[in-house]
Amino acid sequence: EVQLVESGGGLVQPGRSLRLSCTASGFTLGDYSFSWLRQAPGKGLEWVGFSRSKAYGGTAEYAASVKGRFTISRDDSKSIAYLQMDSLKTEDTAVYYCTTTFGNDVFHAFDIWGQGTTVTVSS
Amino acid sequence: DIQMTQSPSSLSASVGDRVTITCRASQSISSYLNWYQQKPGRAPNLLIYAASSLQSGVPSRFSGSGSGTDFSLTISSLQPDDFATYYCQQSYTTPRVTFGGGTKVEIK
Repeated sequence: EVQLVESGGGLVQPGRSLRLSCTASGFTLGDYSFSWLRQAPGKGLEWVGFSRSKAYGGTAEYAASVKGRFTISRDDSKSIAYLQMDSLKTEDTAVYYCTTTFGNDVFHAFDIWGQGTTVTVSS
Repeated sequence: DIQMTQSPSSLSASVGDRVTITCRASQSISSYLNWYQQKPGRAPNLLIYAASSLQSGVPSRFSGSGSGTDFSLTISSLQPDDFATYYCQQSYTTPRVTFGGGTKVEIK
């Protein structure tokens, strides 16, 4: 079964750091790009960032709201994606999802999602 | 950024009703429009991609239409399992995608 599982969420104080992980199973994460999205409590979905597969350069892009604070990386040998979040703000409080366009890359439709991991930034 | 505007933001309907949700893009996005269903506490689930293509495993009562700036998602006969929040997503500016604000479908 093709699956993504996130971990690493929790309660963190403003200004501190947290690293989320996303483990892929049933497929080789290295062959695919992936994205991180988030959803603040009671709000809609927001794109956070994107990582290209090595075949397409392995580069990352970020939303303006997190650029310079968040870093996406990947360990393709372990099929794990990471979201390093530094200088966290209260407005970063959200459920974070990793997702990929496994079978829908042409129209960039997210067909595989993790279950989400909750990040709460509060003093 | 391309803004996506969904309407209505919420609606009440009965089982068996035909329901239509609309999504408007702030500029033309061709057919780069996807639809998702999300239930409380769960990740979104892809329903429609490329504006009108039904994702594998999704019931045929769901359909999508539109191109350019105006799109719609229709549920032909609302079922109890369909009460959820629906989001549109533009992928014209991939990977910098944006979502509509959501439409919550509630039981009348």
